[in-house]
Amino acid sequence: DIQMTQSPSSLSASVGDRVTITCRASQVISNWLTWYQQKPGQAPKSLIYAASNLQSGVPSRFSGSGSGTDFTLTISSLQPEDLATYYCQQYNSYPLTFGGGTKVEIK
Amino acid sequence: QVQLQESGPGLVKPSETLSLTCTVSGGSISTYYWTWIRQPPGKGLEWIGYIYDTGSTNYNPSLKSRVTISVNRTKNQFSLKLNSVTAADTAVYYCARDGDTVGLFGYWGQGILVTVSS
Repeated sequence: DIQMTQSPSSLSASVGDRVTITCRASQVISNWLTWYQQKPGQAPKSLIYAASNLQSGVPSRFSGSGSGTDFTLTISSLQPEDLATYYCQQYNSYPLTFGGGTKVEIK
Repeated sequence: QVQLQESGPGLVKPSETLSLTCTVSGGSISTYYWTWIRQPPGKGLEWIGYIYDTGSTNYNPSLKSRVTISVNRTKNQFSLKLNSVTAADTAVYYCARDGDTVGLFGYWGQGILVTVSS
């Protein structure tokens, strides 16, 4: 199985801050990576696909980068509605696996 | 717009079988990979497995010996059975479907909490 390791596990930032979350795969997954946002009590929602492509309707303050084993999700200017837990997921091979999540809190 | 809705018992006794159904509306259950994912309270996401249009299945090796996913095309539903459950199987269970890319979930049910307890 491909292990996905996210860091940090949680962070607290102020509105307007730039936030960066990293995800590392235990083996090369090319760019077969998506980032999900999960708000409390809701199902996850895909923000980014193929590591760096923004899903339709997702605000442009979200961006993704990386390839191979190291990936990053960036929120350029944190907004109150970005309070959520963010997960990376690889879809290079089965079993599909998720990172442990990064909980983003607003100061 | 495709919508998914999980249903089933919210409480299952240890050693018994957890059974859930996902009803698909707004589209046919033909084609696509119909998937179950779970999330223990306060923890991360775990892919359980899928059933494809042809009836082929693929399960997470960590659960493979206990899992069965099946489809009922006449009712536009697919189902999950997990046997010999323990407290470790307590989780919110989601049904999901890939979008334009296999393995990337664009459609999710709202989730159903299943508690394993006597």
